[in-house]
Order: sequence, then C-alpha cells, then structure tokens
Amino acid sequence: KAGVTQTPRYLIKTRGQQVTLSCSPISGHRSVSWYQQTPGQGLQFLFEYFSETQRNKGNFPGRFSGRQFSNSRSEMNVSTLELGDSALYLCASSLEGREATDTQYFGPGTRLTVL
Amino acid sequence: GQQVMQIPQYQHVQEGEDFTTYCNSSTTLSNIQWYKQRPGGHPVFLIQLVKSGEVKKQKRLTFQFGEAKKNSSLHITATQTTDVGTYFCAGIVYGQNFVFGPGTRLSVLP
Repeated sequence: KAGVTQTPRYLIKTRGQQVTLSCSPISGHRSVSWYQQTPGQGLQFLFEYFSETQRNKGNFPGRFSGRQFSNSRSEMNVSTLELGDSALYLCASSLEGREATDTQYFGPGTRLTVL
Repeated sequence: GQQVMQIPQYQHVQEGEDFTTYCNSSTTLSNIQWYKQRPGGHPVFLIQLVKSGEVKKQKRLTFQFGEAKKNSSLHITATQTTDVGTYFCAGIVYGQNFVFGPGTRLSVLP
C-alpha cells in the first residue's frame, strides 16, 4: 500500500502570495489532518477533514483553509503569506480519524519558505 | 483547552545509557499515542495506549500510561545511535483533535 504523499515537497514564496499544498492519503483512509511544524511551536493542529467535511479546526487565522475531495485527497491553502508561515506542513491520514482515535500516518511534508 | 507537556525538552546520552521522556496532560485522556521523528523526517507512529495503568513493550522501548490517564512515559533501555530523534506524545480525547506534546529531542553519543 502506498503511503501518504504530499506535493510539492519544497516551496519558496514571497510575502503576500498565496499557496496551495496537496495531500493524497493512504488508499481507504477517509480522514486527513493537517499540521504545521516549526522549531518554536512544535506540531500545531490546523484542521481535519472527513468525507469532504471539516470536522475540527485548530487556532489558526482564516488565511489558512482547506478542502477535501470525494477521493479523500485534500488541499490546504494559505493566502496572504507572512514570514511566520515558513514551516513544515504535514498531512496525516487515518481510517476514521479522531472519532475512532486511529493511528495517523504522516506524509513527508511540504517545506514552505516565505521570503 | 487541552494541553500536553513533555519533559525533558532535550536529552543527551552516551550510547548504552537509558533514556526516559515524560508526557503530562492537563485533562484526562481517552488514549495516548507516541511518535518518533528522525532528523529531516516525518513523525512515525510507535504505539497507542488505551487502558489505565497499561504497560507495553517494543524490544528496548517500554511505554506506560498512568493510572489517572493523564500522564505517560517512554523508556528506552541501552540506547543506540539509531534511537536519535524527537519523541512526541499525542493526547487524545474522544471527539477532539490530537494534541501533540512539544517533543523530547534525544541525542545519542557513540
């Protein structure tokens, strides 16, 4: 079974731009969660999608948004980028997500640098 | 809101020494998971603990869930250089999102 894939792996943007990151979960997994990882803040939960619906959201501004498609693939969008958005963005998939407290399988992440 | 803390933040050990990291939650947890992230890598699931007082072993790793289900520990016996990485606990409350601890970064000197 293929693992979680994320594209692109690396991205460089400038302040004010917007960015879209993509995540393809493990086949059969319906839950996709997004996390931001920085050296100072650790792993911060962004949001979770299940069956194309956002089920839970972390404490991030509205510039961070996401969606999930019928095939469970998910995208995350960040608008009006700020320097502080530079981070590793990790996507994690699981069978049912938080409702069943499944194991989360993380993708390799997208390293976003904002200049 | 729910908070999960880990200590220590960093640990440097000589190869062969033991290592322990502790995870504490501000609220009672449904269960707890442990992950390991190698330098430059992504978190990889290690184990899940569900029952109060549960103890699980994986070779040199021993995981424990507290009686009150608010704390947990990971103990590594006789560390090896392959144990290098950051160990995260993730506290879960049913119906809520995973809350990760800040992690303990382990360095093993050969």
